[in-house]
Amino acid sequence: DAKTTQPPSMDCAEGRAANLPCNHSTISGNEYVYWYRQIHSQGPQYIIHGLKNNETNEMASLIITEDRKSSTLILPHATLRDTAVYYCIVRVPGIQGAQKLVFGQGTRLTINP
Amino acid sequence: NAGVTQTPKFQVLKTGQSMTLQCAQDMNHEYMSWYRQDPGMGLRLIHYSVGAGITDQGEVPNGYNVSRSTTEDFPLRLLSAAPSQTSVYFCASSFARGSPLHFGNGTRLTVT
Repeated sequence: DAKTTQPPSMDCAEGRAANLPCNHSTISGNEYVYWYRQIHSQGPQYIIHGLKNNETNEMASLIITEDRKSSTLILPHATLRDTAVYYCIVRVPGIQGAQKLVFGQGTRLTINP
Repeated sequence: NAGVTQTPKFQVLKTGQSMTLQCAQDMNHEYMSWYRQDPGMGLRLIHYSVGAGITDQGEVPNGYNVSRSTTEDFPLRLLSAAPSQTSVYFCASSFARGSPLHFGNGTRLTVT
């Protein structure tokens, strides 16, 4: 089962910051939080990931709480092209120490003009 | 680089038929995986591989086989297709186990 909880849907006005929450209360100390998004029926697209510290790249910012039980993905100036399903994922252990990603149902973000 | 290439894009099978979904990547990635996505659902992991000759099961492995004879290719085999396997299948790869995944554009499979 997915180890994250996200709201099923959110709306945001174009040009405003979109803040997508994710709860991962059972995360362990060495598990990373990843964010992906899926536009229409395309393959998911990587956005950002982090362990403890806040992270920022050209697409978004990731804020992880100090206890690591939750995080927020921030799209600073949302555009219509940001309308997508956003997945928050934590890595789970696999064979030989490798780790696999388990996707939940994500948050459907709609950017309104 | 072409990235992750999946073929075919669309496929219709009859119940009981077999087929192989192809996945190839030209980025020299060690990690490859297969997901299925049913309407309105998130992605569910079928099988994955951490290198040539090494594979493991994901959440929903039943009815699917995989093998990894080369770094570049990771085919997914349906031995006896069932209507429950109607879905969109995505292949993904990453440089290492902690690196971001690169996804293909999917194969839309219908089993009648």
